[in-house]
Amino acid sequence: IAGITQAPTSQILAAGRRMTLRCTQDMRHNAMYWYRQDLGLGLRLIHYSNTAGTTGKGEVPDGYSVSRANTDDFPLTLASAVPSQTSVYFCASSDTSGSSDTQYFGPGTRLTVL
Amino acid sequence: GQNIDQPTEMTATEGAIVQINCTYQTSGFNGLFWYQQHAGEAPTFLSYNVLDGLEEKGRFSSFLSRSKGYSYLLLKELQMKDSASYLCAVRDSNYQLIWGAGTKLIIKP
Repeated sequence: IAGITQAPTSQILAAGRRMTLRCTQDMRHNAMYWYRQDLGLGLRLIHYSNTAGTTGKGEVPDGYSVSRANTDDFPLTLASAVPSQTSVYFCASSDTSGSSDTQYFGPGTRLTVL
Repeated sequence: GQNIDQPTEMTATEGAIVQINCTYQTSGFNGLFWYQQHAGEAPTFLSYNVLDGLEEKGRFSSFLSRSKGYSYLLLKELQMKDSASYLCAVRDSNYQLIWGAGTKLIIKP
């Protein structure tokens, strides 16, 4: 089934631990994105990648890193988790060659940092 | 700064019509999106407007006025399954999406 998958679905993590959230898409979209969603706030862009091998910083990149080794995978790493990183994380992808460049979202990862 | 404003919450009756407004102030404009998000789920794409006017798609329509920095999403013949949050997002001059906080729509029988 075409789409985006994320893992894990949810995670409870101790502060200071390292964590990688996984994201894989099979739509051959060139662009991928990581957002966080917090209650009362809009989705905020953490990092993005316009094509394999390139990445860029979004609105809230501090404390997060990404890599884009191939078209399909876009993992997000928290090097040393802090409680303020408790959030729901969504990965998205899009085909930027299209007229609308619509973003399609994965199911999300609910992360709690204690 | 960049800003997207939407009402926090709206209530409507099953079978009725509801209009959800979105106003925006962004650095540049390269299109406006509406997404639907059910509780605990991912946002799903509803509509895209880049030119002024109304785009109709079944029970849902979206309107854009670029000169007024304004859009609305119109939902007709409301069904209980339409209970969700509706997110407005604008693509700015850097081709990044700026998101509103969303409007929670509650449908009552």
